[in-house]
Amino acid sequence: AQKVTQAQTEISVVEKEDVTLDCVYETRDTTYYLFWYKQPPSGELVFLIRRNSFDEQNEISGRYSWNFQKSTSSFNFTITASQVVDSAVYFCALRAGSARQLTFGSGTQLTVLP
Amino acid sequence: AAGVIQSPRHLIKEKRETATLKCYPIPRHDTVYWYQQGPGQDPQFLISFYEKMQSDKGSIPDRFSAQQFSDYHSELNMSSLELGDSALYFCASSPAGANPGTDTQYFGPGTRLTVL
Repeated sequence: AQKVTQAQTEISVVEKEDVTLDCVYETRDTTYYLFWYKQPPSGELVFLIRRNSFDEQNEISGRYSWNFQKSTSSFNFTITASQVVDSAVYFCALRAGSARQLTFGSGTQLTVLP
Repeated sequence: AAGVIQSPRHLIKEKRETATLKCYPIPRHDTVYWYQQGPGQDPQFLISFYEKMQSDKGSIPDRFSAQQFSDYHSELNMSSLELGDSALYFCASSPAGANPGTDTQYFGPGTRLTVL
C-alpha cells in the first residue's frame, strides 16, 4: 500500500522568508512517481512538479526547489523568498507501480503574511 | 493552453436526489480520473477510465457510477445523495501514452456539490 505523510498541518511565515514543506512517502514498488500540487483558496489543484523514482536530481524552478532523497523516502519542497500569493494548501502525492491513481498526503496549509 | 473543463462548477441538491457531473479532458488526453475532496481533506481517488474503459476503481460508493464517452469526456452520476456527499469533485486527465512517466494528471477546477 502507498502512503504519503505531510507532518506539517499549518505553516505561517512572513513575506520574503524561506519555507520548506516536508513530504515522506511509503511504497514497496521500485518504480514510482512523486508530485506536488498547489491548491489556492480558489480551490483548483495546480500541478507543480513530477519526479520519477529513478531520477534523484534536485530541481529548481524560479523560487521553487525540490529535494528528493530516496534514502530517507522524502521529497521536500522549498519556497525561497516567499510571497503572499504563495499562500495555499500544498499537497504531496505518490503514484506507484501499475496503479495510475494518486495517493495524496493530508496537505500543508501555508500562510504567508505581508 | 487548454485545461480540463468541469461542469457545473457549483451544484446544490437535496438529500436523495441525483446529480451528474461532467468532465471534458485536455485535448488528446485519453485517461480521466475522478477524485472527491471533503472539507479539510485530501483528494480521494474514486475511479478512472482509459480509452473509454474503466481502468482503476477506488473508494467509489455503489450509488455512484461513471463512464467515459467516445469523445473522451466523462460523467459521474450520483444517486440517492447523502449529506456526506457534499464535497469538491475533481476530474483530472492525463495522456496515457506508451511511457507511464508521461502520466501527469492535470486537474480541472472542480465541481462543488452541496447536499442539503
